[in-house]
Amino acid sequence: QVQLVESGGGVVQPGKSLRLSCAGSGFTFRNYGMHWVRQAPGQGLEWVTVISYDGDKKWYADAVKGRFTISRDNSKNTLYLQMNRLRAEDTAVYYCAKDSRSGSGGSYSYGMDVWGQGTTVTVSS
Amino acid sequence: DTTLTQSPAFMSATPGDIVTISCKASQGIDDDVNWYQQKPGEAPVFIIEEATTLVPGVPPRFSGSGYGTEFTLTIHNMESEDAAFYFCLQHDKFPLTFGQGTKLEIK
Repeated sequence: QVQLVESGGGVVQPGKSLRLSCAGSGFTFRNYGMHWVRQAPGQGLEWVTVISYDGDKKWYADAVKGRFTISRDNSKNTLYLQMNRLRAEDTAVYYCAKDSRSGSGGSYSYGMDVWGQGTTVTVSS
Repeated sequence: DTTLTQSPAFMSATPGDIVTISCKASQGIDDDVNWYQQKPGEAPVFIIEEATTLVPGVPPRFSGSGYGTEFTLTIHNMESEDAAFYFCLQHDKFPLTFGQGTKLEIK
């Protein structure tokens, strides 16, 4: 079955960096756009970024633009999120999620269908 | 950016009730709305796509309607297992945006 497993979360000081990973299995990873979505404690969902199926196109939320970078390695079926200059307001559970249609993530998205279980990032001194 | 205003933020219902949750967009977004269910400590689950299409495996008591700027999630004959948070998502334009969420509790 389709599965996404995130890793790399932890406690980090403000201004530091962290890299999250998401391993996909059970589907043809290279065919789908992939997203990161986060959820601050007790809050709703916030879309963070998406990368197209081929890695050529990326979109970011304003809150993370210039600090976070999404990337993927289709040979390893793995998605990444490099988070730099972290702030307290970046504290959240970070979910990776697969776009629901193949060929997506470039000029369009159909939203997410399958989500990972999430990895927790805490930014605190 | 497209803002989604979801209401109510909280509601309480009795098993067997009909539950409706609203999601209004700040601009027209065709039918590019999905709905998700999230239970505490779990990842969101995809339940409605393209405003009206039930995701395979989701109980038929769930339904979606709407087009343009107004969308509704309806649960007919609500069951206790439906207690959860519900979120709408617009995927018409980047950045994608979510509604603020509705917490549905059982009376």
